[in-house]
Amino acid sequence: GQQVMQIPQYQHVQEGEDFTTYCNSSTTLSNIQWYKQRPGGHPVFLIQLVKSGEVKKQKRLTFQFGEAKKNSSLHITATQTTDVGTYFCADTSNAGKSTFGDGTTLTVKP
Amino acid sequence: DAGITQSPRHKVTETGTPVTLRCHQTENHRYMYWYRQDPGHGLRLIHYSYGVKDTDKGEVSDGYSVSRSKTEDFLLTLESATSSQTSVYFCAISSTGPSNQPQHFGDGTRLSIL
Repeated sequence: GQQVMQIPQYQHVQEGEDFTTYCNSSTTLSNIQWYKQRPGGHPVFLIQLVKSGEVKKQKRLTFQFGEAKKNSSLHITATQTTDVGTYFCADTSNAGKSTFGDGTTLTVKP
Repeated sequence: DAGITQSPRHKVTETGTPVTLRCHQTENHRYMYWYRQDPGHGLRLIHYSYGVKDTDKGEVSDGYSVSRSKTEDFLLTLESATSSQTSVYFCAISSTGPSNQPQHFGDGTRLSIL
């Protein structure tokens, strides 16, 4: 079935450094959603991207959807300890069914 | 946070016993989902419902059944639990299908099968 590959699996950064996670698909995506899960918590919706080449920003977070709609990225500028957690992308192209990537777990050293 | 309650929050049981997990929502959302989360596997869809008595399988449905007799409740049943079903189970809801709306997740149920 449809799969989205997420890289890297883990990322350790020093506080203040930037962070990027990538989500790649072998097929064209209708849209993509990003979620964040804090340690011990549940996934929380961050954003949805729909248009080819779309770029959206939320404070220090920048989300991009590729021109071919086969990849997406989440970039965090100047990480803070509050950014710790696992970031998931989700392919929501199939009606009723989402396919989540395996996530990128971010740790931030103060 | 969306009004989603999962019960129980923790359960330990033995192989071969039946287990039922409950998801209750107060948002009157049409779609409800059950996921399992295991280390290194992200979230995998077990079953979902798109209305009362309307359900469909996800990618890891073997060994699980679901029922939705009311809008607010979605039950996940393990007829005969196996150790491979030890996992954290999340329920999620969305007002329409996930292609249009975000999913809101419950706090999860940690299930251990010995």
